Amino acid sequence: EPEVTQTPSHQVTQMGQEVILRCVPISNHLYFYWYRQILGQKVEFLVSFYNNEISEKSEIFDDQFSVERPDGSNFTLKIRSTKLEDSAMYFCASSLDRGNTEAFFGQGTRLTVV
Amino acid sequence: GQSLEQPSEVTAVEGAIVQINCTYQTSGFYGLSWYQQHDGGAPTFLSYNALDGLEETGRFSSFLSRSDSYGYLLLQELQMKDSASYFCAVAPNTGGFKTIFGAGTRLFVKA
Repeated sequence: EPEVTQTPSHQVTQMGQEVILRCVPISNHLYFYWYRQILGQKVEFLVSFYNNEISEKSEIFDDQFSVERPDGSNFTLKIRSTKLEDSAMYFCASSLDRGNTEAFFGQGTRLTVV
Repeated sequence: GQSLEQPSEVTAVEGAIVQINCTYQTSGFYGLSWYQQHDGGAPTFLSYNALDGLEETGRFSSFLSRSDSYGYLLLQELQMKDSASYFCAVAPNTGGFKTIFGAGTRLFVKA
């Protein structure tokens, strides 16, 4: 069964450093998303991406964050100047259709900023 | 703004039926989705309602009433493995592809 894959599964970084979280969405999907989940809290939307550009972003997704689809398969989230409060699980998701009809989530990258 | 309200916890016994409610405040959206998340796992899609009414997928059913700003997830023949968090989510029709999740309902299934 096709799946969304994310690497790494766990990333520890020093405060102030830059991290790149990587995702390979399902190959025929058109819509891509990044979400964040702080431990014990709800899933928070960060950004959606369609047709090689950002479709919508949340208030969380400020200049510290950027996304890129460098080739036909990868979808990356870059976080610059990481802060302690960036520690969370970051999920990539993809869907064939718009909205939330059926989004497939990767297993997530647990980011720990120390 | 947009918000979704769900009970924080529900407890039920194995074999029973449980209903998890979701009330929302949003001006317009494409549909209401439900996701399951086990501890340490990723959200897994369960069901989607674009229109009012009931959608059935095996042991799980989901209902939407736009006029009442309300939906629910119904889980039948509960199994221990159904113990997880359940999130309702909406995609506002704001022109982008944003999804807003509720805070989640933690379901505990007892033997």
